[in-house]
Amino acid sequence: SAVISQKPSRDICQRGTSLTIQCQVDSQVTMMFWYRQQPGQSLTLIATANQGSEATYESGFVIDKFPISRPNLTFSTLTVSNMSPEDSSIYLCSVEDSIRWSTDTQYFGPGTRLTVL
Amino acid sequence: DAKTTQPPSMDCAEGRAANLPCNHSTISGNEYVYWYRQIHSQGPQYIIHGLKNNETNEMASLIITEDRKSSTLILPHATLRDTAVYYCIVLSSNTGKLIFGQGTTLQVKP
Repeated sequence: SAVISQKPSRDICQRGTSLTIQCQVDSQVTMMFWYRQQPGQSLTLIATANQGSEATYESGFVIDKFPISRPNLTFSTLTVSNMSPEDSSIYLCSVEDSIRWSTDTQYFGPGTRLTVL
Repeated sequence: DAKTTQPPSMDCAEGRAANLPCNHSTISGNEYVYWYRQIHSQGPQYIIHGLKNNETNEMASLIITEDRKSSTLILPHATLRDTAVYYCIVLSSNTGKLIFGQGTTLQVKP
């Protein structure tokens, strides 16, 4: 498995602003993912962060709203742009490395709790 | 992608075994069943996964029926700290993506 950290752990932001969330892993991993969990709901996959290329977004999520970077094999960022109260959620990153770990298991970070006023 | 069905909630007495069922009748032959849990809005924690055979680790046991259409996660001696939402997920063989359903909220009571 891997040790995954996220920054910030929580934040309160004003509508119309943007917030960048960082995800750091203690080892190199091939796959990194970003999820959103709205209040009282289950997790929804936002996108797969691809190292060295653009992220692959799921239906309903667009790059202009959720730009993602993945500059190397241990780090990724998710930006929530032009925020509105509907963006208030927990944002989680997860990692997977089926080659090194011999399993497709994903491991999750602790999450970033975002409140938009 | 194979869909899973879980009861929305269950109770269990502390110290007793918790048996959490999951139906996945449309599972394909090479798709794995994964179980995660989420304690009070923390990041989901991996518990166990399996393909055909029953699996056991330090956290739980996973019993998969012979036709693979359902499975049961067993926490052998539930504690109060096992109170969480438990997600049963079939890992898509096409996409490798985890698709989370609503899960089962397990309440362990003293």
